[in-house]
Amino acid sequence: DTEVTQTPKHLVMGMTNKKSLKCEQHMGHRAMYWYKQKAKKPPELMFVYSYEKLSINESVPSRFSPECPNSSLLNLHLHALQPEDSALYLCASSQVPGQGGLYGYTFGSGTRLTVV
Amino acid sequence: GESVGLHLPTLSVQEGDNSIINCAYSNSASDYFIWYKQESGKGPQFIIDIRSNMDKRQGQRVTVLLNKTVKHLSLQIAATQPGDSAVYFCAENMSKGGSGNTGKLIFGQGTTLQVKP
Repeated sequence: DTEVTQTPKHLVMGMTNKKSLKCEQHMGHRAMYWYKQKAKKPPELMFVYSYEKLSINESVPSRFSPECPNSSLLNLHLHALQPEDSALYLCASSQVPGQGGLYGYTFGSGTRLTVV
Repeated sequence: GESVGLHLPTLSVQEGDNSIINCAYSNSASDYFIWYKQESGKGPQFIIDIRSNMDKRQGQRVTVLLNKTVKHLSLQIAATQPGDSAVYFCAENMSKGGSGNTGKLIFGQGTTLQVKP
């Protein structure tokens, strides 16, 4: 299995809702990442998990809360989001932090989030 | 802040021609670079990577060139096909300059490749 799987693929949520995005990989990668991508823009790094511990938070607002329950799973908990948070949320993994390995950082297909 | 950038937002080529997509980076300590292809509605797909101790790497129909002197990266696609139409991003692995990797992969602005039949 050489994929990063993200669920759900699409999510519409209200500004008072609480929802979670899920990411899973079974490649034995020990680094996992969350990126946010607005339309026609490059992905922007949000969080880096290294060996299940949060190593980088790119000054992301607290309404985004990451969690890494184990080495295969990465969640992003969402609460009290704003319409401007609507974007494609991408999860990625790599063998070790900062090193892409044979196939670089592997990205999932993303969750298209719309905040209404 | 430091970032990786691309020279052209859009590149239009004829099917069968070669394509060259360029990228400039600003962190001279970065040691690893990746080219990604992103099609509409999908996540970035790995194309090819190169480490800073190399200046050229070839894959199937693609070649990446790295010029550390001028901090320039390029992606060459041979015999461009309609299926190559997508947005192409270069990405830079931010280094701490000797004290290890940051784990931060930073993307350039992207070039949209349009292939005309």
